[in-house]
Amino acid sequence: SAVISQKPSRDICQRGTSLTIQCQVDSQVTMMFWYRQQPGQSLTLIATANQGSEATYESGFVIDKFPISRPNLTFSTLTVSNMSPEDSSIYLCSGLRAGPSSEQFFGPGTRLTVL
Amino acid sequence: GIQVEQSPPDLILQEGANSTLRCNFSDSVNNLQWFHQNPWGQLINLFYIPSGTKQNGRLSATTVATERYSLLYISSSQTTDSGVYFCAAATGANSKLTFGKGITLSVRP
Repeated sequence: SAVISQKPSRDICQRGTSLTIQCQVDSQVTMMFWYRQQPGQSLTLIATANQGSEATYESGFVIDKFPISRPNLTFSTLTVSNMSPEDSSIYLCSGLRAGPSSEQFFGPGTRLTVL
Repeated sequence: GIQVEQSPPDLILQEGANSTLRCNFSDSVNNLQWFHQNPWGQLINLFYIPSGTKQNGRLSATTVATERYSLLYISSSQTTDSGVYFCAAATGANSKLTFGKGITLSVRP
């Protein structure tokens, strides 16, 4: 299984500010994804992080609000911009390793609270 | 897109009891995974099971792809089994997982 780390593990931020979350995978993955889990809810896919090009966003998520970078195969960042209390969630990254399996592995998540 | 439904939404068990959690999905899948989310929010991979049956200790899972459902069995439940269990599925080459709403399991001592 792939080991995925995220930084920070949690943060408390003021509205109107931005936070960048880092995701590091211990081995090369073909695909990386970012998910959001609002309080008491399930996980929703934000976007697919594409290496060296713009991320592919799901309906309801836009690049201006959630800019994503993936400069190489093992690292990605998600920025939550101009935050409001509604952005308070757990943000998780996941990776899909090369090979016949489609199994995804998730990072420990970043718990964000916006005041 | 694919729809994923889990049942029951909540489950309360006495320690030592067995349980079955169900996941229905609306399309053929190339990925079906079961996760346990611990109280700290981390998703623990339980099974990658787009078809067939697997067992890992007290847990086992079966996916009947032709009938579009998967079952997670927990035997001799322990208090540490408490938490939220998610089923997630993907179809096609994009590998994007769609999660069910989760099943909240409480195991009482």
